[in-house]
Amino acid sequence: GEDVEQSLFLSVREGDSSVINCTYTDSSSTYLYWYKQEPGAGLQLLTYIFSNMDMKQDQRLTVLLNKKDKHLSLRIADTQTGDSAIYFCAESIGNSGGYQKVTFGTGTKLQVIP
Amino acid sequence: DVKVTQSSRYLVKRTGEKVFLECVQDMDHENMFWYRQDPGLGLRLIYFSYDVKMKEKGDIPEGYSVSREKKERFSLILESASTNQTSMYLCASSYGGQETQYFGPGTRLLVL
Repeated sequence: GEDVEQSLFLSVREGDSSVINCTYTDSSSTYLYWYKQEPGAGLQLLTYIFSNMDMKQDQRLTVLLNKKDKHLSLRIADTQTGDSAIYFCAESIGNSGGYQKVTFGTGTKLQVIP
Repeated sequence: DVKVTQSSRYLVKRTGEKVFLECVQDMDHENMFWYRQDPGLGLRLIYFSYDVKMKEKGDIPEGYSVSREKKERFSLILESASTNQTSMYLCASSYGGQETQYFGPGTRLLVL
């Protein structure tokens, strides 16, 4: 079955780059996502990448996808204290029911030190 | 903006009580989901619905049921709450055929 794994914690200094990593097991994923959860809030979609892409850039965010290694990463440039949150990786896979199932990782808590 | 609301931010219930968690979305989404979030386990899918009166079991449906009588509303029911159901419950919705999910703020449930 599908499984999405992330490290639980990352600490960086303000102004540095953050790289959050994710590995997944199902090679038939259609889309891969990054969600952000701020304290006390629900998840907010940050960005996503289609499975036939290698890279996507959106302002300070860069997503890299290595399909061979089933590895997804999110790079945040010039990390700010407001980036402190839990980041979830997710993949969507079509199933026999004809709809897409989304599986979330365990989440990586990013702590930004001023 | 898509808006997904949940009826309560915090709830405290006693073991054996029946608990209703309500979720409403205002974007005419076909799909709605209930997850629970626990430290170190991420999000786990409890139930989902892709149409009114339709429901499908997710990965951890035991001890839960759902109701979707109207398109905009999806309810999660704990028939007899137990302490191991203490968790953060997140509702989400999406358009049919699209995977991007929009989340509510969550309900933190404590079962004593």
